[in-house]
Amino acid sequence: QVQLVQSGAEVKKPGASVKVSCMASGYSLTTYDINWVRQATGHGLEWMGWMNPNSGNTGYAQKFQGRVTFTRDTSINTAYMELSSLRSDDTAVYYCARGRGGTYRYYFDYWGQGALVTVSS
Amino acid sequence: SYVLTQPPAVSVAPGETARISCGGNNIGSKSVSWSRQKPGQAPVLVIHYDSDRPPGIPERFSGSNSGNTATLTISRVEAGDEADYFCQVWDSSSDNPGVVFGGGTKVNVL
Repeated sequence: QVQLVQSGAEVKKPGASVKVSCMASGYSLTTYDINWVRQATGHGLEWMGWMNPNSGNTGYAQKFQGRVTFTRDTSINTAYMELSSLRSDDTAVYYCARGRGGTYRYYFDYWGQGALVTVSS
Repeated sequence: SYVLTQPPAVSVAPGETARISCGGNNIGSKSVSWSRQKPGQAPVLVIHYDSDRPPGIPERFSGSNSGNTATLTISRVEAGDEADYFCQVWDSSSDNPGVVFGGGTKVNVL
């Protein structure tokens, strides 16, 4: 069955970077987009961007451009999200989610379990 | 940028019908999906393409989309339906196209 398994919780200091992994099982990572979504405690979902794991093409939400990078290693069916220049308001649970449906009918059919990133001095 | 507006909370008695709205400018021209999120868990897709249910989602969940409002309807509500529900679309109208989420609606089962 399809699963997205993410790396564990991280604690980082302000100004540092964090890299979260998302390993796909039950299908080939290169078949569908991987998106990254974050959620601060008690808040809604915030979309960060997408990656086509086959081509490596990416699209980032304007808010995160210049600070976030999506990569992948197809040999181990794993996608990565790296966020730099961390601030306290980056403290959130970071989810990877599989994107389906094509550009205008986009939806997320599977989600990872989430990875808590805490930014604190 | 495109904005999706959801009521913060909806309360419903067991066995009754819950309707959750998602308002957006001409949202009827977009494809809407809905996800359910229980505390401490990842979201789960319950509706995509406005009204399609993924495998494993009960027929009690249905969706509609027209004009400026999309609606998720949960019939014969059960205690296990208590959760946050988010709507989502792809917005291609701005300079930075991408996914937009509604703020979420907490369904309280009385």
